[in-house]
Amino acid sequence: DGGITQSPKYLFRKEGQNVTLSCEQNLNHDAMYWYRQDPGQGLRLIYYSQIVNDFQKGDIAEGYSVSREKKESFPLTVTSAQKNPTAFYLCASSIWDGQGAKIGYEQYFGPGTRLTVT
Amino acid sequence: EDQVTQSPEALRLQEGESSSLNCSYTVSGLRGLFWYRQDPGKGPEFLFTLYSAGEEKEKERLKATLTKKESFLHITAPKPEDSATYLCAGQISGTYKYIFGTGTRLKVLA
Repeated sequence: DGGITQSPKYLFRKEGQNVTLSCEQNLNHDAMYWYRQDPGQGLRLIYYSQIVNDFQKGDIAEGYSVSREKKESFPLTVTSAQKNPTAFYLCASSIWDGQGAKIGYEQYFGPGTRLTVT
Repeated sequence: EDQVTQSPEALRLQEGESSSLNCSYTVSGLRGLFWYRQDPGKGPEFLFTLYSAGEEKEKERLKATLTKKESFLHITAPKPEDSATYLCAGQISGTYKYIFGTGTRLKVLA
C-alpha cells in the first residue's frame, strides 16, 4: 500500500522542549512539504523539499527545522523558539517536474500529528 | 496578491438536497486547481485536479468544474457520509507553492 505515514498521531510536550515529528512516504515522490493547520485558517506552508539534501523555507518557518537525508523521509523539529506551537501538523508529498513545468500535481497528505504544548 | 477564497464557510443540507461549493481564485498563472476532502482530525484526501477553464471531473456524487476565475464543487443528492470539510488549492505557475482556501464545512442531515 503506497502512502504517507506520520507519527505520532498525538504529541504532548512541555514548553521549552524541542520535539520532532516523523513523516515517511513510499510513493517515490521527489517533493515533500510540511504544513500547519489552525482552526479557521488555510493550510500554511512551513518547509518544503524537492530533492534529497535540499529544502526551502515556506511562509512560517521561524521556530521550525527540517532535514531531508533520504527521499522517503522528511522529519520536522518544532523548537522552543516557536512561539505558538500547538497545532495540527500535516506532511504531504507530490510529483515534482521542476518550477518550469506546465502542469502541477496533486499533493498526498499524511494523517497528521496533533501537537499540544503546555 | 495570490489568493484562494472559498464560500460558504459552512453549509447544512438535507440528504438528497443538491448544492454547490465555490472556490474563487486570483493566482498569477494557475498550474492546477485541486479539491480535497478532509474529515475531522484527519489529513486531506485528494479528490480532483483541474487544469484549464471548461474542464470538468466527476466522482460518484461530486463534480468539479473550472472557469477562469472560479471552481465549483457540485454535490448531487448528498448523503450523510459526504459530511466533511472541502478544501480547494491553487498551484502558482513557476513555483512550488500551493495556496489553500480555508474550506467549506459541509453537514448533510439524514
